[in-house]
Amino acid sequence: DAKTTQPNSMESNEEEPVHLPCNHSTISGTDYIHWYRQLPSQGPEYVIHGLTSNVNNRMASLAIAEDRKSSTLILHRATLRDAAVYYCILRDALRNSGNTPLVFGKGTRLSVIA
Amino acid sequence: EAGVAQSPRYKIIEKRQSVAFWCNPISGHATLYWYQQILGQGPKLLIQFQNNGVVDDSQLPKDRFSAERLKGVDSTLKIQPAKLEDSAVYLCASTRGGPRYGYTFGSGTRLTVV
Repeated sequence: DAKTTQPNSMESNEEEPVHLPCNHSTISGTDYIHWYRQLPSQGPEYVIHGLTSNVNNRMASLAIAEDRKSSTLILHRATLRDAAVYYCILRDALRNSGNTPLVFGKGTRLSVIA
Repeated sequence: EAGVAQSPRYKIIEKRQSVAFWCNPISGHATLYWYQQILGQGPKLLIQFQNNGVVDDSQLPKDRFSAERLKGVDSTLKIQPAKLEDSAVYLCASTRGGPRYGYTFGSGTRLTVV
């Protein structure tokens, strides 16, 4: 699987937007970009995913660069509950009929300050 | 829909003892994964099932770890005998399959080997 690079940690003030970057310069044309987050003492939680176009859902927005070599997860208004480790993961749509497992890196630890 | 259920939530055993973890995935999810998460690291895949068949167990330490998924629904992961380095959170996840679907994780079982 293509690898991703994320900052180890980031900090945000409560109620401000947060932009979490992810670099994936070796991404292939069939790799989906997935984001998960893990709150303390819980299993990872799906946040959002996309292929080429920007995506929005109730939790966040995903902005994908035109060359797809980077992406940004956007939390529009950070709350204390958003403090978590955020993982950016690539999944190949073709290998194993698209059932390749998620490969987690170290992610970005987001701290939210009240 | 109901989430992925795991039990027990916590387990403390002595080294060389055996232990088993149970997972009940979301109904209809054909693909099931077991992950191991050591403190401070991202989850690491142990085994992947598609229905009741093993797809990938290349990272499962087969001398001491075993897993099964009878009838393609519930799954159990066993460690026998346990070592100190097996202390970790064991996470179960399920998905419908394919790169367009997210995973749903359980809350995990925290194992402490003393």
